[in-house]
Amino acid sequence: DQQVKQNSPSLSVQEGRISILNCDYTNSMFDYFLWYKKYPAEGPTFLISISSIKDKNEDGRFTVFLNKSAKHLSLHIVPSQPGDSAVYFCAAQTQGGSEKLVFGKGTKLTVNP
Amino acid sequence: NAGVTQTPKFRILKIGQSMTLQCTQDMNHNYMYWYRQDPGMGLKLIYYSVGAGITDKGEVPNGYNVSRSTTEDFPLRLELAAPSQTSVYFCATLLTSGRRAGELFFGEGSRLTVL
Repeated sequence: DQQVKQNSPSLSVQEGRISILNCDYTNSMFDYFLWYKKYPAEGPTFLISISSIKDKNEDGRFTVFLNKSAKHLSLHIVPSQPGDSAVYFCAAQTQGGSEKLVFGKGTKLTVNP
Repeated sequence: NAGVTQTPKFRILKIGQSMTLQCTQDMNHNYMYWYRQDPGMGLKLIYYSVGAGITDKGEVPNGYNVSRSTTEDFPLRLELAAPSQTSVYFCATLLTSGRRAGELFFGEGSRLTVL
């Protein structure tokens, strides 16, 4: 039973264009969502997060949108750069449940020069 | 400031062997975690600890053991290695206060192959 789903295993975009990575969840108790980025042979690193009381959070080129009614969130990267090429994991947790962080399978983003 | 350090980075084990994956952190974080990542899959929680002397099972604890005698160290023990334990293992700590509370800090990973 996959509670956090990233249905696109891979995504390829041109440098300078927008990258949109999608994530769906099934557990309505999730109230905090995070995106992590992972380069080969490295551990994941935190990218951006959003609380369920918001529907948008921005940090530079990265914006996360949350649609609670659809149980859907998306990560937008604008403009995309070759250095953004990595695997992106969506993760979700319930309030006070840091130990219960649930990860999606990841989406491999390739940004072509 | 090293953050989260895992050793070894690579290891090949024979079926039935035992080994310990080491994890140490210098961030003074109370929460520590062990995840495994299988190819094409997300990270699965093996064990976690909310502080020295306290550990609890995650989603996939079978075949593993942990201990937490100090804040800094959180070793993961495999007692009888099986091919199903071939994976990349990540140790992580959790920031619990401040603007970025809820952020996990990961080590670089330990790639384990069981033959």
